[in-house]
Amino acid sequence: GENVEQHPSTLSVQEGDSAVIKCTYSDSASNYFPWYKQELGKGPQLIIDIRSNVGEKKDQRIAVTLNKTAKHFSLHITETQPEDSAVYFCAAKMDTGRRALTFGSGTRLQVQP
Amino acid sequence: DSGVTQTPKHLITATGQRVTLRCSPRSGDLSVYWYQQSLDQGLQFLIQYYNGEERAKGNILERFSAQQFPDLHSELNLSSLELGDSALYFCASSPDAPDTQYFGPGTRLTVL
Repeated sequence: GENVEQHPSTLSVQEGDSAVIKCTYSDSASNYFPWYKQELGKGPQLIIDIRSNVGEKKDQRIAVTLNKTAKHFSLHITETQPEDSAVYFCAAKMDTGRRALTFGSGTRLQVQP
Repeated sequence: DSGVTQTPKHLITATGQRVTLRCSPRSGDLSVYWYQQSLDQGLQFLIQYYNGEERAKGNILERFSAQQFPDLHSELNLSSLELGDSALYFCASSPDAPDTQYFGPGTRLTVL
C-alpha cells in the first residue's frame, strides 16, 4: 500500500520567515495530494491540495509543489505569522481502489513572534 | 467549520465496555470516512462508507464496526475496549468526486 514520509517533525521559524515541509510517497498511482492544518483540539482542516496533472499551486501565502518523477511534494508558507503555528499533515490518495487518504506523520510548526 | 459534525466531543469509559460514535456528513456528501489519531500511530484510516454501503476498509480491528444510515449519518461502534483504543476518532466526508475530504472536530475517547 501507500506510504507517506514527512519531514521535519518539528520546525521553528521567526515570524515573517518562510517554512517548508516535505513529503515523499511510495505509490506512483497516487494522484491527489492534500495538506491539512490541525490546531490543538480541532480536526484537520484542508488548506491546499494538488493533483498529479499540476506541478504547482498557490493560494496567497501558501503554495504546494509536486515532483511526480521523484515522488515528492512540498508545502511552502511565506511570511509566516504566529497563527500559522499548528501541526501540518500531508497526505496522498489514489484515484482507483481504496480512496482513503494515507497521511504523513505530521510537522509541528512553531512561529516565534 | 467544515460542516461535518461529530458527537460526543469527549467520551470516558472503562475497559471492556462498548461505545458508539456518531458522525453527520456535510449536506450532500455521500461518502463518510473514519480515522483514528493516536500519538504513536498518527492518522490511520479505519473504514469508508458510500451511500450506505461499505466501500473500503483500512486498519480497523474486528472489535470495531461501522454503518451508514439512509439519512447518511454514520456510527462507529467500538466494543471490548482496551486501554490502547484511547485516541481521537475523526469522521470525514466527501462527495463521490472530487477527492476533497472535510474533517469533523473529532471525538476524544479515553479508556480507563
